Amino acid sequence: DTAVSQTPKYLVTQMGNDKSIKCEQNLGHDTMYWYKQDSKKFLKIMFSYNNKELIINETVPNRFSPKSPDKAHLNLHINSLELGDSAVYFCASKGVGSPLHFGNGTRLTVT
Amino acid sequence: AQRVTQPEKLLSVFKGAPVELKCNYSYSGSPELFWYVQYSRQRLQLLLRHISRESIKGFTADLNKGETSFHLKKPFAQEEDSAMYYCALRGEAAGNKLTFGGGTRVLVKP
Repeated sequence: DTAVSQTPKYLVTQMGNDKSIKCEQNLGHDTMYWYKQDSKKFLKIMFSYNNKELIINETVPNRFSPKSPDKAHLNLHINSLELGDSAVYFCASKGVGSPLHFGNGTRLTVT
Repeated sequence: AQRVTQPEKLLSVFKGAPVELKCNYSYSGSPELFWYVQYSRQRLQLLLRHISRESIKGFTADLNKGETSFHLKKPFAQEEDSAMYYCALRGEAAGNKLTFGGGTRVLVKP
């Protein structure tokens, strides 16, 4: 059973479009994250939610809007996609005393 | 502010040779240090955490607070060790944010 699952795995879209990436975890963790891995493999945190409440927002453009309907889900909606948004987006979750558990990543390509 | 530096972007070694990945950090409090590994096109997986003081897949890492380092070592590299390795730090600040280093690609040649 996949602990942290993201959909879709691949996403190819044109500039200006709006797209969403979904993430679900079945580990019972309270905290979920979105990380961005760019073409140079740098990993940077974007958002963190704890029990549906936003606790970290790292200077990400307003075009990115996370939504957490419940503590098991953290979705990422991106408006007006730009070329520079092309990256791999990783969802992760964490419980008390546990390390981060990552999803498989969503490879977003903006053309 | 918390910062993690991995000075080597690429480490290329022959199978059976020792490998050491450097990690230095900057943090004023008591951090938790981790090593994560990402095999080709797979998810990041936890490899080591300093509080466990264990050896995983032959890898060890020791937290040196004096030198603010958490280098990852393996005495005999295997081809299956080829991957991206990320050093990460979690501070005591709210949100338990995990800050990653830039990553080191390890290539183990036969």
